[in-house]
Amino acid sequence: EDQVTQSPEALRLQEGESSSLNCSYTVSGLRGLFWYRQDPGKGPEFLFTLYSAGEEKEKERLKATLTKKESFLHITAPKPEDSATYLCAVQAVRGSTLGRLYFGRGTQLTVWP
Amino acid sequence: DAGVTQSPTHLIKTRGQQVTLRCSPKSGHDTVSWYQQALGQGPQFIFQYYEEEERQRGNFPDRFSGHQFPNYSSELNVNALLLGDSALYLCASSLAGGAGELFFGEGSRLTVL
Repeated sequence: EDQVTQSPEALRLQEGESSSLNCSYTVSGLRGLFWYRQDPGKGPEFLFTLYSAGEEKEKERLKATLTKKESFLHITAPKPEDSATYLCAVQAVRGSTLGRLYFGRGTQLTVWP
Repeated sequence: DAGVTQSPTHLIKTRGQQVTLRCSPKSGHDTVSWYQQALGQGPQFIFQYYEEEERQRGNFPDRFSGHQFPNYSSELNVNALLLGDSALYLCASSLAGGAGELFFGEGSRLTVL
């Protein structure tokens, strides 16, 4: 069964204190791994897609990496506006390009000044 | 370029009632998926529509049904509401044959009393 586990559940950082969020997954054929940011009461906002082990993508203070079993979201010198829940999701190869996403429960990040 | 729009944003129903939620996909997208997100959880896949047909379905009862119209917009219907149906309902759009990225609306917050 396709499964996504995120850790930690919650993370508190001081402004400027870099850290990483983890997403481990089991899927029978990975088509893509997705990272989303979600603010309270809002819909998830797309951040990155990673397709193959070794791939890396960056956006401002965020950098996502992918191995065969897990993905990391590195946050460098975070600011209070980076506070949000970060969701990881995988899409499996099923012969169709219309694949559903399997989400983890997310990591709630709080960055304090 | 309008993103994914959902209506209503909030609604309150009582047990046993029926509800209809609406979604307009991002311009150029032809596939609509619906997700349910309970408080503190990741989004759970309900179903997906493409070419006005349900293409995939998650582990949700038949009380959950949907429709896609020729203009690609979609509706989610839930009958015989239960307290446990209280959640944020998210619509996501994508392009069949595309990179697999889903773009989400802001959601409809349903409270069942």
